[in-house]
Amino acid sequence: EVQLVESGGGLVQPGRSLRLSCTASGSTFGDYAMSWFRQAPGKGLEWVGFIRSKRYGGTAEYAASVKGRFTISRDDSKSIAYLQMNSLKTEDTAVYYCSLGELSGYWGQGTLVTVSS
Amino acid sequence: EIVMTQSPATLSVSPGERATLSCRASQSVSSNFAWYQQKPGQAPRLLIYGASTRATGIPARFSGSGSATEFTLTISSLQSEDFAVYYCQQYNDWPRTFGQGTKVEIK
Repeated sequence: EVQLVESGGGLVQPGRSLRLSCTASGSTFGDYAMSWFRQAPGKGLEWVGFIRSKRYGGTAEYAASVKGRFTISRDDSKSIAYLQMNSLKTEDTAVYYCSLGELSGYWGQGTLVTVSS
Repeated sequence: EIVMTQSPATLSVSPGERATLSCRASQSVSSNFAWYQQKPGQAPRLLIYGASTRATGIPARFSGSGSATEFTLTISSLQSEDFAVYYCQQYNDWPRTFGQGTKVEIK
């Protein structure tokens, strides 16, 4: 069974950086793209970004709200996808979710990132 | 970016009744369209993709229809576990975008 576990969330000051990890098990991780989403407290879902599998170039796409500040990467040898978040703003406060591919239906449980001074 | 607009914002329905949720895209997304269900404190659950294909394990009372810019999610007979927030999403263009959600509540 596929399982995804996000980690690395926490409280961080505005302007600082944080790296989230999404560890996968039960799948051939390298064969899949990975997606990141977020949900601010009491708000709707927001797509954050996507990284293709190495087979399709391993390149990434980003939401306009995070482009230039967030970077998605992957380590297929460890079955981990990363979300590097720099220059964090208070509006980045949210639960962050990773998902296998785009429409696999496999999601992690989410990790809370709070950006506050 | 493609703007997804859901209606209504809140839908009050009695158990056993039919629920119809709508989503409109600001430009055509073909059939590259999905519906998600989310309950409090849980990750979203994929219900429908390709506008009308049920995801694995999704009961037959959930059905999706539409194409291009107009889409509908129908829950034929609401069960207690169906009261939740439903989101639509397009995956035709970058960036992917969601609707603002429709809350289905008990009448």
